[in-house]
Amino acid sequence: DADVTQTPRNRITKTGKRIMLECSQTKGHDRMYWYRQDPGLGLQLIYYSFDVKDINKGEISDGYSVSRQAQAKFSLSLESAIPNQTALYFCATSDPGYDEQFFGPGTRLTVL
Amino acid sequence: GDSVTQMEGPVTLSEEAFLTINCTYTATGYPSLFWYVQYPGEGLQLLLKATKADDKGSNKGFEATYRKETTSFHLEKGSVQVSDSAVYFCALSVKTKAAGNKLTFGGGTRVLVKP
Repeated sequence: DADVTQTPRNRITKTGKRIMLECSQTKGHDRMYWYRQDPGLGLQLIYYSFDVKDINKGEISDGYSVSRQAQAKFSLSLESAIPNQTALYFCATSDPGYDEQFFGPGTRLTVL
Repeated sequence: GDSVTQMEGPVTLSEEAFLTINCTYTATGYPSLFWYVQYPGEGLQLLLKATKADDKGSNKGFEATYRKETTSFHLEKGSVQVSDSAVYFCALSVKTKAAGNKLTFGGGTRVLVKP
């Protein structure tokens, strides 16, 4: 089984709808991240969490919110989706003191 | 701020050809440098890394050397295979108390290897 899972894998929604993307991990890592990938722009950090009580904004947090329900779960919400939030979203985890981040398979979100 | 610049793709090669993907960076402090690879339909996975100047990272036939004097971390492979077709991301990480090991990514380079 995959160490970092994301649901759903694909989602099409309409402008103005609320949507939640979920991430779960079995690696036991304290740190979790949400990234957005747009073609040619690499990955941009939306939010990150060092533990359940420590949540921080990344480079592009406007229009997004997150919830860290447990060490293993980190959800990303779009309160009112807009078309320019159409992108590929990745969750990642890491262990404190180590550089490497472990990525989930991604969620492809389309906002019409 | 920190940034990573890598060559735009797509890069199209024939099997057994030599691959180079250029990557340069700007960073405060002393970054660790990474290459991540994204195969079709999958998330990113670490390909190799280097944590200090002159270190060489290597994995699966790929190599990259941390060049502080030229602020570069170019990825090379001597003989590519069709299975190397993927998107390659250069990234850096600078440890800060506030942000931990936050990764900064380049834009990605798509590589297509034809038989």
